[in-house]
Amino acid sequence: DAMVIQNPRYQVTQFGKPVTLSCSQTLNHNVMYWYQQKSSQAPKLLFHYYDKDFNNEADTPDNFQSRRPNTSFCFLDIRSPGLGDAAMYLCATSRGTQDLPEQFFGPGTRLTVL
Amino acid sequence: AQKITQTQPGMFVQEKEAVTLDCTYDTSDPSYGLFWYKQPSSGEMIFLIYQGSYDQQNATEGRYSLNFQKARKSANLVISASQLGDSAMYFCAMREPGTGANNLFFGTGTRLTVIP
Repeated sequence: DAMVIQNPRYQVTQFGKPVTLSCSQTLNHNVMYWYQQKSSQAPKLLFHYYDKDFNNEADTPDNFQSRRPNTSFCFLDIRSPGLGDAAMYLCATSRGTQDLPEQFFGPGTRLTVL
Repeated sequence: AQKITQTQPGMFVQEKEAVTLDCTYDTSDPSYGLFWYKQPSSGEMIFLIYQGSYDQQNATEGRYSLNFQKARKSANLVISASQLGDSAMYFCAMREPGTGANNLFFGTGTRLTVIP
């Protein structure tokens, strides 16, 4: 089945230790998104790639970076995680077209910062 | 400014009954899209239903229907014949107008509990 896969599902890191979260898709969608969702809050868009074009949200901290080496993969790098970065990180994809606008989400990676 | 408002932090419904989850939105753009997603405790966001601003009829998908009232800027989700598996967080979201990538703004969610 076509899907969005996130690895790992659970990630524990230490304060200040860089961490990378992975997302892959078999949907061949143009757009890949990264959201941060803190406990009992709505998902918040960090950035997205439209093909190779990177689009950062204005209020996304510089501590968060992303890479998309090819259509299928997208990575979220947190350079120096703080306690406030503990959250669920959701990857999503979409075709990016008006006629098929829905986003398809992966299962998420729950990040714990010690 | 809040673009999506969900005023019900939590809702309870008896199994097999219908329930309505409220959502209001704010935009001045005539072209927009509205979505509902379900998030079980496992964390995955599951797409349920979509309504485009120019769609004449209310969207329906199985037991889910969207009560779209454009003049009131509301897009309430109706779940008919509730099942125990419907217990989850439900998020209303709006596609940000003018973005080619269909960025979504989410509401704060409603936690639905289905009672046996």
